[in-house]
Amino acid sequence: QSALTQPPSASGSPGQSVTISCTGTSSDVGGYNYVSWYQQHPGKAPKLMIYEVSKRPSGVPDRFSGSKSGNTASLTVSGLQAEDEADYYCSSYAGSNNFYVVFGGGTKLTVL
Amino acid sequence: EVQLVESGGGLVQPGGSLRLSCAASGFTFSSYDMHWVRQATGKGLEWVSAIGTAGDTYYPGSVKGRFTISRENAKNSLYLQMNSLRAGDTAVYYCARASGASDAFDIWGQGTMVTVSS
Repeated sequence: QSALTQPPSASGSPGQSVTISCTGTSSDVGGYNYVSWYQQHPGKAPKLMIYEVSKRPSGVPDRFSGSKSGNTASLTVSGLQAEDEADYYCSSYAGSNNFYVVFGGGTKLTVL
Repeated sequence: EVQLVESGGGLVQPGGSLRLSCAASGFTFSSYDMHWVRQATGKGLEWVSAIGTAGDTYYPGSVKGRFTISRENAKNSLYLQMNSLRAGDTAVYYCARASGASDAFDIWGQGTMVTVSS
């Protein structure tokens, strides 16, 4: 099972919006509404930002939103802030018969 | 406070074994699926294994037959037995709690480093 495809980098200025894509297949992203997004700052553990494509855990700012179309999921960060600079990873359920969970390669978000 | 704390990492020679532990606190451990996820230095996240509340286990092909995930609910503990270790297994290993229908990883430990080298 191949990893999900994310762009290696993305950037935006404070206050702007940026969207990160995550492309999989009909066996993972396209087959289930079970896409999650994680934020990871250097030296820290990942933090759940979005689950089930578009749901936000308690405490995650509503500047973070998720969506999906076909085999591609997206994370949008609106009103960029300096503290949003981090690595972002998508993941998807991939079925218990194969890879149970598959991650994207990660996207480094830079706030200019 | 909901918390996961990993331990057991270290330096091991190729072909060797290591057992990681993850101590859970602040929630009903037995009610949650649990996972191990690893991250090589400077690389992305890689799912390593999962165990359901009923003890069902899942692995990707890269570790199947070499790694064994287990849990001991009475001790609120998760384990990962790693055998036949290779240099490519070198990484920080995180335990993570899975929540909801999608098994999203809502709680992560701080990670424990495993280095496989001669």
